[in-house]
Amino acid sequence: GENVEQHPSTLSVQEGDSAVIKCTYSDSASNYFPWYKQELGKGPQLIIDIRSNVGEKKDQRIAVTLNKTAKHFSLHITETQPEDSAVYFCAASEGNEKLTFGTGTRLTIIP
Amino acid sequence: GAGVSQTPSNKVTEKGKYVELRCDPISGHTALYWYRQSLGQGPEFLIYFQGTGAADDSGLPNDRFFAVRPEGSVSTLKIQRTERGDSAVYLCASSPYRRGRQETQYFGPGTRLLVL
Repeated sequence: GENVEQHPSTLSVQEGDSAVIKCTYSDSASNYFPWYKQELGKGPQLIIDIRSNVGEKKDQRIAVTLNKTAKHFSLHITETQPEDSAVYFCAASEGNEKLTFGTGTRLTIIP
Repeated sequence: GAGVSQTPSNKVTEKGKYVELRCDPISGHTALYWYRQSLGQGPEFLIYFQGTGAADDSGLPNDRFFAVRPEGSVSTLKIQRTERGDSAVYLCASSPYRRGRQETQYFGPGTRLLVL
């Protein structure tokens, strides 16, 4: 089955700086890669996703890149703000299937 | 519009008891998923419904776990003879269905289960 690895497990950045979180996956058939943000006591919330037919997608301060050959994808958050502090999860899926999640990255934005 | 709702938000039970966890998906979403999230971990897949039928139950850890979705909307996750190791947050997600294409899964707030 699919295996998703995520790094780093914790990340602290100064407010205004950029944050990058990286994930690798094992199943070459996976074609959908969402990123979720989870705040304490809440369910995961989708922040951005990418499908295997594109290499990059951007939404304001958030971007995701995908390298299918290397089987890795990354989340980039620019101009970080205190409200970006949360746990972030990457995931992978093969069309209408379960999501396989990474182990999460606890992002702390230092004011 | 209303999102995915889950009840109860918290459940404390004793070892050996039976529990039911309920999920109300977003109206019109035919796909429904259950995940379990242990402390400090990512969600782990349990079961996926397409309409009323379980399309994939490969994530259920053993036969103490069972889920139903009799009318293709609300789903109930049932755990028999609970064990302390069942303590976790149980998350439900729903999505629209499009053949061969993964649509966004929208998650509920979860039910925090504590087995004493």
